[in-house]
Amino acid sequence: DAKTTQPTSMDCAEGRAANLPCNHSTISGNEYVYWYRQIHSQGPQYIIHGLKNNETNEMASLIITEDRKSSTLILPHATLRDTAVYYCIVRNAGGTSYGKLTFGQGTILTVHP
Amino acid sequence: DTGVSQDPRHKITKRGQNVTFRCDPISEHNRLYWYRQTLGQGPEFLTYFQNEAQLEKSRLLSDRFSAERPKGSFSTLEIQRTEQGDSAMYLCASSRGTSDEQFFGPGTRLTVL
Repeated sequence: DAKTTQPTSMDCAEGRAANLPCNHSTISGNEYVYWYRQIHSQGPQYIIHGLKNNETNEMASLIITEDRKSSTLILPHATLRDTAVYYCIVRNAGGTSYGKLTFGQGTILTVHP
Repeated sequence: DTGVSQDPRHKITKRGQNVTFRCDPISEHNRLYWYRQTLGQGPEFLTYFQNEAQLEKSRLLSDRFSAERPKGSFSTLEIQRTEQGDSAMYLCASSRGTSDEQFFGPGTRLTVL
């Protein structure tokens, strides 16, 4: 699976949009971009994933650049409960990887009142 | 609550003892994963089951570690002759398919004294 690079930490004011960047310059054509988050003392939680097109669900939006070398996770109206570590993961959905997730260090997002 | 449960939530043991953890995945999920997470790091893949078959094991899974999923439902992870370096959070996740989102349990925190 391709390696990802994320900022170590970010801050965001409550009610504002949180934009979390991720670089994955070595991504290959059959690899998806997944985002998970981990709130303190809990297991990771799936947020969203995409291949080429931008995606939106009830939690967030995922913007993937046209060359697929980077992406941005957008939390449109951050709340205090969104304070967590956010992991960007590039994943080969098939083949011999069996879908395992390769986590990096992630970005610690702190939402301030 | 994701529907994945783990037991126990916390385990304190002395070096050299054996410990066993249990994971109950979401009932219709035939894929099951074990991960390990040490303080300040992202989770690391340990092993993967498709139904009762263990299809992949990480190099992190030394000979002291063994995992089973005897009937394709719950899974156990046993660590023999525990060492202080085994202290970590052990996470279980399940999914319907390899490209589907993984649902994580709350984890078992192991402390080896």
